[in-house]
Amino acid sequence: DSGVTQTPKHLITATGQRVTLRCSPRSGDLSVYWYQQSLDQGLQFLIQYYNGEERAKGNILERFSAQQFPDLHSELNLSSLELGDSALYFCASSVGGLSYEQYFGPGTRLTVT
Amino acid sequence: SQQGEEDPQALSIQEGENATMNCSYKTSINNLQWYRQNSGRGLVHLILIRSNEREKHSGRLRVTLDTSKKSSSLLITASRAADTASYFCATDARGVSGSRLTFGEGTQLTVNP
Repeated sequence: DSGVTQTPKHLITATGQRVTLRCSPRSGDLSVYWYQQSLDQGLQFLIQYYNGEERAKGNILERFSAQQFPDLHSELNLSSLELGDSALYFCASSVGGLSYEQYFGPGTRLTVT
Repeated sequence: SQQGEEDPQALSIQEGENATMNCSYKTSINNLQWYRQNSGRGLVHLILIRSNEREKHSGRLRVTLDTSKKSSSLLITASRAADTASYFCATDARGVSGSRLTFGEGTQLTVNP
């Protein structure tokens, strides 16, 4: 158990819908990272927050947004969903930046039908 | 394209044998990390090696880093069936919108009992 929790574990929704994925980092970790893993794209970095502020942005679509709240939990919002958004979405946390190991949550499996 | 590329894509060995996986990357790095992923689950951090280090050990794991060749290797000695997983290298890379970890496509290791 990494100490990072993600909800829900599974999500099935239809195209055009909007969903929210939630992540609680390990106690004491200030950084939260979101990743998307699919068979054809591999593991792609989406976005990082550090202590409530956006720190780095990766291959995140404009239809996706995220935020980190004062209690350090984070949410990833996916809107106007397309079939191609079906993937595993991981949240990870670390104490600081990229010089520290990241602890991954169990992931949310999103299926868009 | 991915910053890190693992080689081989798949490796099948017998229990007790050693497994070696390689990772090549393109740009200068501050550190390189190796992660392991059991099917459909979150990634687990194995080891971090900094750019000024050449070799690092952790239990049955040995990681080397050659910055002149922009490559790293992960050696698992005396492999066990429980080592069956995908192994990823990740490098820190500076992008237009901040730094991030970039993961390779992974090596699928199968250890046969």
